[in-house]
Amino acid sequence: SQTIHQWPATLVQPVGSPLSLECTVEGTSNPNLYWYRQAAGRGLQLLFYSVGIGQISSEVPQNLSASRPQDRQFILSSKKLLLSDSGFYLCAWSVPRGDLFGQGTRLTVV
Amino acid sequence: QKEVEQNSGPLSVPEGAIASLNCTYSDRGSQSFFWYRQYSGKSPELIMFIYSNGDKEDGRFTAQLNKASQYVSLLIRDSQPSDSATYLCAVNSAGFQKLVFGTGTRLLVSP
Repeated sequence: SQTIHQWPATLVQPVGSPLSLECTVEGTSNPNLYWYRQAAGRGLQLLFYSVGIGQISSEVPQNLSASRPQDRQFILSSKKLLLSDSGFYLCAWSVPRGDLFGQGTRLTVV
Repeated sequence: QKEVEQNSGPLSVPEGAIASLNCTYSDRGSQSFFWYRQYSGKSPELIMFIYSNGDKEDGRFTAQLNKASQYVSLLIRDSQPSDSATYLCAVNSAGFQKLVFGTGTRLLVSP
């Protein structure tokens, strides 16, 4: 079966600390993978997408970065978090009938 | 800039009524259209997709697409309080590998 895993579910980090969020998918190969952010009461903002290992497209310039070290693994990182990085981070996987989302990570930067 | 527009709501309907959610899009090249439901604090869940003009029904949900007018709608029949959520419209254009999402319409179904 096709599943997507994202962790952790919640995270509280101090300003200036690093960040690493991980997403993995099962049941497919060479998936298109996406990182979105949703600020409180706002829509989904596409941050990065990847069509293959080592291939990353950035949608919004910011202090975040993404990497795809393996076919079914997508990582979102930051070297130094800002207060404005708080939000709900979602990993998604593109399938023919639409994107499937992971459970999301609620990040609070304090 | 490709855009997808939705009324933020809230749209309030009584239990048992039909809820009608609308979405317009700017890119005439759009080919795939999706509706997601998002409960508060949860990730979006895909509930419907439509590619062709006309209606597509799945249980209590009907998606309607009119490419000439560039709108897509979602009807929810016999609305239930459990349908209370934010509904996101998303559009994909040919040759593009990503969806463009609207900001969502919040639906409130009162018992």
